[in-house]
Amino acid sequence: AQTVTQSQPEMSVQEAETVTLSCTYDTSESDYYLFWYKQPPSRQMILVIRQEAYKQQNATENRFSVNFQKAAKSFSLKISDSQLGDAAMYFCAYRSAPDFGNEKLTFGTGTRLTIIP
Amino acid sequence: SQTIHQWPATLVQPVGSPLSLECTVEGTSNPNLYWYRQAAGRGLQLLFYSVGIGQISSEVPQNLSASRPQDRQFILSSKKLLLSDSGFYLCAWSRRVRYRTEAFFGQGTRLTVV
Repeated sequence: AQTVTQSQPEMSVQEAETVTLSCTYDTSESDYYLFWYKQPPSRQMILVIRQEAYKQQNATENRFSVNFQKAAKSFSLKISDSQLGDAAMYFCAYRSAPDFGNEKLTFGTGTRLTIIP
Repeated sequence: SQTIHQWPATLVQPVGSPLSLECTVEGTSNPNLYWYRQAAGRGLQLLFYSVGIGQISSEVPQNLSASRPQDRQFILSSKKLLLSDSGFYLCAWSRRVRYRTEAFFGQGTRLTVV
């Protein structure tokens, strides 16, 4: 079974600065997907970014980027130019690739990110 | 556009009472549906998923059950709640978008069993 570990329960960053959230995972599969989800106080889970394991290039979405190290099974999220609206709980998640059309996700325990004005 | 509705947002129930949480999806057909739970200090854990009406798969043994009486309706139930059932419950649906799939979540139900 796959596991996802987020070792930072809480993080804080000054507004406009850069912060990196850590995530490691354990799997014996070679093909899979990784995700970062954001859960703001409204509790609506929002997909931030996704990474296909077969792609060597790190995914980027505006101010959000990942550092995907497949051999190390590491998948960190970098938020640049942090904004107050980035304050939320961030979850790292894993999905097996063969389950195409079925989004069964394995989540980490989350990192609560606070933005300091 | 597609939307997912989950209710109630907050629920306080006594031990031994029944439970029914409902989730409905609008704007799509034949979605895959999921129930996740987040217990205190733990990550989201998949409880049930469904690929069609009446088709339910359970991921973990528990005091809960799920049903899908209609294509876009997913219900989480319990006959007798336990203290350990407390947590945050999220419903989700997924669809295929071109060559990828994406999951969409409801706003969740905070369940406290007292």
